[in-house]
Amino acid sequence: LAKTTQPISMDSYEGQEVNITCSHNNIATNDYITWYQQFPSQGPRFIIQGYKTKVTNEVASLFIPADRKSSTLSLPRVSLSDTAVYYCLVATRGSQGNLIFGKGTKLSVKP
Amino acid sequence: DAGVIQSPRHEVTEMGQEVTLRCKPISGHNSLFWYRQTMMRGLELLIYFNNNVPIDDSGMPEDRFSAKMPNASFSTLKIQPSEPRDSAVYFCASSLLGQIATNEKLFFGSGTQLSVL
Repeated sequence: LAKTTQPISMDSYEGQEVNITCSHNNIATNDYITWYQQFPSQGPRFIIQGYKTKVTNEVASLFIPADRKSSTLSLPRVSLSDTAVYYCLVATRGSQGNLIFGKGTKLSVKP
Repeated sequence: DAGVIQSPRHEVTEMGQEVTLRCKPISGHNSLFWYRQTMMRGLELLIYFNNNVPIDDSGMPEDRFSAKMPNASFSTLKIQPSEPRDSAVYFCASSLLGQIATNEKLFFGSGTQLSVL
């Protein structure tokens, strides 16, 4: 199981771009990188997934360098409603119980 | 699609009582997961089913916990007897893929807030 490391918390202001970096030094060749978002009193919600280079959707962008040992979730122009915990997951094929969440990054967006 | 449906939303019980949490996964999904979330331990994977068969239950805390999936549309997590330290939010999640794949995407329910007094 590729262990991930993220900052415990981050603060930002409305309208700023927020970048959350996740380290996964032991990522395997077939592993994808997946990010989830969790609001208070709700279950985590899938926001983006990637394998290499860059992925963009309506919510966020995901940047993955060539060595894939880290990834950066980018949230453009955050608003108060982006205040949540963000989890980075790296799965390993065939590993039982591989969908294990770390502590995540608690993002606080201030007005 | 209604998403993953969990019931009850909130459960308050007394120590020693039996508690049953219920989950209806998204139709067509092949995998189902039970997680527990607390402030101290974060999100913990308790058990994982694939095609209704328990694959990995190594996260189940002890014999007081049991989970079943009698069919593709229903699963239960039972705690008997319950203890105050079981107080947590219990999430059920499902995924489409029939095996653990590295691009697995989980869809979570809203959770059950359990309080054991």
